[in-house]
Amino acid sequence: AQRVTQPEKLLSVFKGAPVELKCNYSYSGSPELFWYVQYSRQRLQLLLRHISRESIKGFTADLNKGETSFHLKKPFAQEEDSAMYYCALSGRALNFGKGTSLLVTP
Amino acid sequence: DAGVIQSPRHEVTEMGQEVTLRCKPISGHNSLFWYRQTMMRGLELLIYFNNNVPIDDSGMPEDRFSAKMPNASFSTLKIQPSEPRDSAVYFCASSRGASSYNEQFFGPGTRLTVL
Repeated sequence: AQRVTQPEKLLSVFKGAPVELKCNYSYSGSPELFWYVQYSRQRLQLLLRHISRESIKGFTADLNKGETSFHLKKPFAQEEDSAMYYCALSGRALNFGKGTSLLVTP
Repeated sequence: DAGVIQSPRHEVTEMGQEVTLRCKPISGHNSLFWYRQTMMRGLELLIYFNNNVPIDDSGMPEDRFSAKMPNASFSTLKIQPSEPRDSAVYFCASSRGASSYNEQFFGPGTRLTVL
């Protein structure tokens, strides 16, 4: 069965501090993973996908097949990063984790 | 481009009433998804269509829920009869192509409250 786990419901960090949002998955095949983000009063939108190996808004995520993880990282958090973050796994359909609310405080 | 359009944005109804949520996908997208978001369960896929055909409705909670896509530019999600536990935000999303790998574009959601 494919599953996405985001262990933290809420993560609070200070501005300028590093941030890591955790995501673990279970999938029997070769996974395709994404991070979606929902800023306050905005639509849920794609942040990045692992296959692109890109950095978006300073965020990166590396697929670790050994640990079955796809953690989202940013070295220096900004207040505008405060949002709801969802990790998602592509299978027959897109399976989302329950989300982590990131709060960056000044 | 207005993106995915959902209506209504807010719906308050009483238990037992029929509720119909509407979605207009982005023109040219041939996959459409209905999700439900709650605090307890997060974002759950209810059903998705490809080329107007339902592909996977295993997420539909029970027979009270039904979804249709009569054409490429319109879909409905109906709850009859509604119950308080159906209160949630319902999102519609669309994408180009059949693969779940393709980026999904979300609507603003419909916040449903069943009293």
